[in-house]
Formats: sequence, structure tokens, C-alpha cells
Amino acid sequence: EDQVTQSPEALRLQEGESSSLNCSYTVSGLRGLFWYRQDPGKGPEFLFTLYSAGEEKEKERLKATLTKKESFLHITAPKPEDSATYLCAVQARAAGNKLTFGGGTRVLVKP
Amino acid sequence: NAGVMQNPRHLVRRRGQEARLRCSPMKGHSHVYWYRQLPEEGLKFMVYLQKENIIDESGMPKERFSAEFPKEGPSILRIQQVVRGDSAAYFCASSQNRDLTDTQYFGPGTRLTVL
Repeated sequence: EDQVTQSPEALRLQEGESSSLNCSYTVSGLRGLFWYRQDPGKGPEFLFTLYSAGEEKEKERLKATLTKKESFLHITAPKPEDSATYLCAVQARAAGNKLTFGGGTRVLVKP
Repeated sequence: NAGVMQNPRHLVRRRGQEARLRCSPMKGHSHVYWYRQLPEEGLKFMVYLQKENIIDESGMPKERFSAEFPKEGPSILRIQQVVRGDSAAYFCASSQNRDLTDTQYFGPGTRLTVL
């Protein structure tokens, strides 16, 4: 069974304090790993897709990386507007199109 | 380009009533997915549909839940005889399903409260 574990569950940062979120996964043949951002009361907002180990993608203060067992979401010099829950999900080749999500990391950036 | 639309945004039902949740995919998307987010839990896959076809319903409870995506109109997630445990946020996502660009884009969700 595909599994996704995110750590830490919650993260408090001062504005400008860079940090990393971890997503460990077990999947029978990775088709893609996805990062989403979710604000309270809203739906997940797509950030990145990673397909193979060694791949990296960046968007503003966010950078996602992928290895064969985990992915990291690096937040560089965060701002209060980066406060959100960050979700990691995997899509397995044998599981069709469904996404298996981790529990998320709640990030709070204080000014 | 309008995103995924869901309605209603909030739905209150009493135990035993029926709940109907609607989802209109993004323009150009022909694949629809439903996920459920229970309080303090992660998103869980329920069902994957294409027009007039259920492709994967492995995450759907065996009883009381059904989904459809007709040729015309939105996708519908139907919950019959709701119970308190059905209270959750239900999210719809859509995709184009074109090889590696099969990113799923999510709607704002419907928050179901069962009294």
C-alpha cells in the first residue's frame, strides 16, 4: 500500500528564517510527486510536480527536491503570507490516477 | 480561465437526509476526482470519473455513496441517509490526463455538516 509521511506536523518560523519540510514516501513505482499549499477553508493549490530522483523545481521562495525515498520543500526567507498547510501527494504507476496524500505540515511564519 | 467550481460551499443536513455535491471541472478537463478530508485528517481519495464512466471507485464507501459524471452537466457526489460521520470537507479535482501533465487542480470544497 502506498504511504506518505510528512514531518514535522507543525512548524513555527520567524520571518526570514529558512527551513525545510520533509515528505517520505513508499510507493510501488512512482509516477509523480506533488506539492500543494492549502489555506484554511480553501482547496489545495498546486505548487509543483516532480517525476524523478534528482529533479528540482523552484517558485519564488519555494524549492522542491526529490530523491528515491523522500522529497523536501525548502522555504527560503519566508514571509507571513507563506503561512499555510503544505501537502505532499504521490501518484503510483500501479494505482491509476489517484493521489495518496500525507497529513501535511502546518507552517506559521511570524513577522 | 475559470478554475474548478463546486457548489454548494456549505451544506447542512440532518441525519437520514440526502446530500448532493456538485463539481464543474476546469475548461478542457475531462477527468474528475473526489476526495474527502475528515476533521484533523488528511485528504483521502474516493472516486475517479470520466464522462459517463467510473474509472476507479476504490476509495468510495460501499454503501450510501455514489458518484456520476454525465455527458452534460457537472459531476455529482451523492450521499444517501447521511450520518454524523459523513461531516467533512469534500473536494473535487480535475485534470486533462495527458501523460506527464496529469496535474490535478482542486476546487474550493463543499463543507458538509450533519446534525
